Amino acid sequence: ETGVTQTPRHLVMGMTNKKSLKCEQHLGHNAMYWYKQSAKKPLELMFVYSLEERVENNSVPSRFSPECPNSSHLFLHLHTLQPEDSALYLCASSPGLPNYEQYFGPGTRLTVT
Amino acid sequence: SQQGEEDPQALSIQEGENATMNCSYKTSINNLQWYRQNSGRGLVHLILIRSNEREKHSGRLRVTLDTSKKSSSLLITASRAADTASYFCATDGRTSGSRLTFGEGTQLTVNP
Repeated sequence: ETGVTQTPRHLVMGMTNKKSLKCEQHLGHNAMYWYKQSAKKPLELMFVYSLEERVENNSVPSRFSPECPNSSHLFLHLHTLQPEDSALYLCASSPGLPNYEQYFGPGTRLTVT
Repeated sequence: SQQGEEDPQALSIQEGENATMNCSYKTSINNLQWYRQNSGRGLVHLILIRSNEREKHSGRLRVTLDTSKKSSSLLITASRAADTASYFCATDGRTSGSRLTFGEGTQLTVNP
């Protein structure tokens, strides 16, 4: 589990706040991912980065803004979120694309009030 | 329905028993993966089976893949209380690019 770290682990924010989620991988991987996990729903892929370039944006609202400054770090900037955005946000990395196993961080539990 | 559907949704067994979970999918795949998630935590990769493989083992885990039936099964032998978790299959479709599609998972409870 320590190969991919996420901070913060828990976040409560109001609908008008701006916050950022951080993910760091220590595995030397080239691809990184953001997923959203809501109760009673399958894991939803949000964004995919390969070598710091975004290769997939899965129709995610613009209130979620990813940033990948290098292959080890991935951010998810949040602004003017809605209560339905409350979920567990998971970061993952893989050696490359496609067809590789993914290594997940522990997640950030986000609550939007 | 979703690519990668697990069955059953919930399974409760006694320690020492075997647990079998199934996954069905709809489109052709490059590979299928199984993951485990303890409550509120990240997913842990268990095993990857490629479309040209039929069976794979890892410790107490056995995965089978039947591409003609578009299904896979995960068998955990001699289960332990620590195996209590949600188990997900994920498919890497041939037309899905970089996307892994996850099912809704099977919640396994192993009673001591």
